[in-house]
Amino acid sequence: AQSVAQPEDQVNVAEGNPLTVKCTYSVSGNPYLFWYVQYPNRGLQFLLKYITGDNLVKGSYGFEAEFNKSQTSFHLKKPSALVSDSALYFCAVRVYGNNRLAFGKGNQVVVIP
Amino acid sequence: ETGVTQSPTHLIKTRGQQVTLRCSSQSGHNTVSWYQQALGQGPQFIFQYYREEENGRGNFPPRFSGLQFPNYSSELNVNALELDDSALYLCASSLSGTANTGELFFGEGSRLTVL
Repeated sequence: AQSVAQPEDQVNVAEGNPLTVKCTYSVSGNPYLFWYVQYPNRGLQFLLKYITGDNLVKGSYGFEAEFNKSQTSFHLKKPSALVSDSALYFCAVRVYGNNRLAFGKGNQVVVIP
Repeated sequence: ETGVTQSPTHLIKTRGQQVTLRCSSQSGHNTVSWYQQALGQGPQFIFQYYREEENGRGNFPPRFSGLQFPNYSSELNVNALELDDSALYLCASSLSGTANTGELFFGEGSRLTVL
């Protein structure tokens, strides 16, 4: 079954430093991978996706993610974190054959001024 | 803003009661999915509707049911509420078929508290 794992509960980073949020996946076949962000008491907002093609995917708000097939990873990155990036980040994989997404447990990102 | 609207935003119920949550999908989207997000957890897939029929279901009991209307809006109904049903319920719309890229557009959610 398709699944993703987010090994860290919380990521703390100083403002201006690079931000990385880790995600590994387990799928049969080619994965469709996604990152979503959730601000307090809000729904999920789409950041970026990988379906095929270039392993480096660029998304909203300066975020990017690198697909690594050999390591089965899809880590989210931002070169210079902002305080406003503090939020909950979810990695997700599309389950084959339909629009269902399987989400990880989420990572709380705290950007320290 | 995604164009997906949900109502109500917050509600409180007691055990054993029934609840109906509503969702209007983004214009042009014909598929609606519902997710349950318990506190501190990732969203869990409840079910999906396409052309007014259930088109996939997660590991939820039959007391979770839904409807999709001709205008693609949707309802989630939960009967015999339990304390563990307390969660944020998220509606997401999307396109099916070849136009589908797998990207879901989420509403802001309905926060249900069961006392």
